[in-house]
Amino acid sequence: DAGVIQSPRHEVTEMGQEVTLRCKPISGHNSLFWYRQTMMRGLELLIYFNNNVPIDDSGMPEDRFSAKMPNASFSTLKIQPSEPRDSAVYFCASSFIGSGEKLFFGSGTQLSVL
Amino acid sequence: GESVGLHLPTLSVQEGDNSIINCAYSNSASDYFIWYKQESGKGPQFIIDIRSNMDKRQGQRVTVLLNKTVKHLSLQIAATQPGDSAVYFCAEKREDSNYQLIWGAGTKLIIKP
Repeated sequence: DAGVIQSPRHEVTEMGQEVTLRCKPISGHNSLFWYRQTMMRGLELLIYFNNNVPIDDSGMPEDRFSAKMPNASFSTLKIQPSEPRDSAVYFCASSFIGSGEKLFFGSGTQLSVL
Repeated sequence: GESVGLHLPTLSVQEGDNSIINCAYSNSASDYFIWYKQESGKGPQFIIDIRSNMDKRQGQRVTVLLNKTVKHLSLQIAATQPGDSAVYFCAEKREDSNYQLIWGAGTKLIIKP
């Protein structure tokens, strides 16, 4: 199994630009999570999908952030327009809720907004 | 005002010695606890978990201890190796949620040769 696959690994962009982060969860998992990690705040849950449906988006910072999961094998996190304070590492994780709560994380996308 | 970054607690251990990483959790209603290891440039990786009906669980070279009385969780790593260098996170899950994890700040483990 290839694990959770995220792209790109690194993204450098200018303030105001649109950023799209991508995630392919582990096949067979029914839950997908987007997390943000910074030194200031640690790991923060942004949004949680179950069976492709957004269940909890209370962690999404503001309307500039949006996430979609059009099918069981793909999800995107979009920031439009991006701001310097969005600079962080963004992780996607998947799991099979109901079979243990163990999350499998991708390698993350390091986002730098200049 | 001046912003303060999150300074990770650090534990330095001699290679070959045992490591004990501690975590205080917040909610007595939490029913599931989990430890993750995060190496530089990588995502968190599952190490071991434990449910609240247990007080000890062992894996390969790792043991998790749960003390519900004082809301304390610890991770013991036997015969620490250079590859154990990482940041270790504990997380708890409340019994009224099937997905929301509450994450600790992390502990940085440094292995001295």
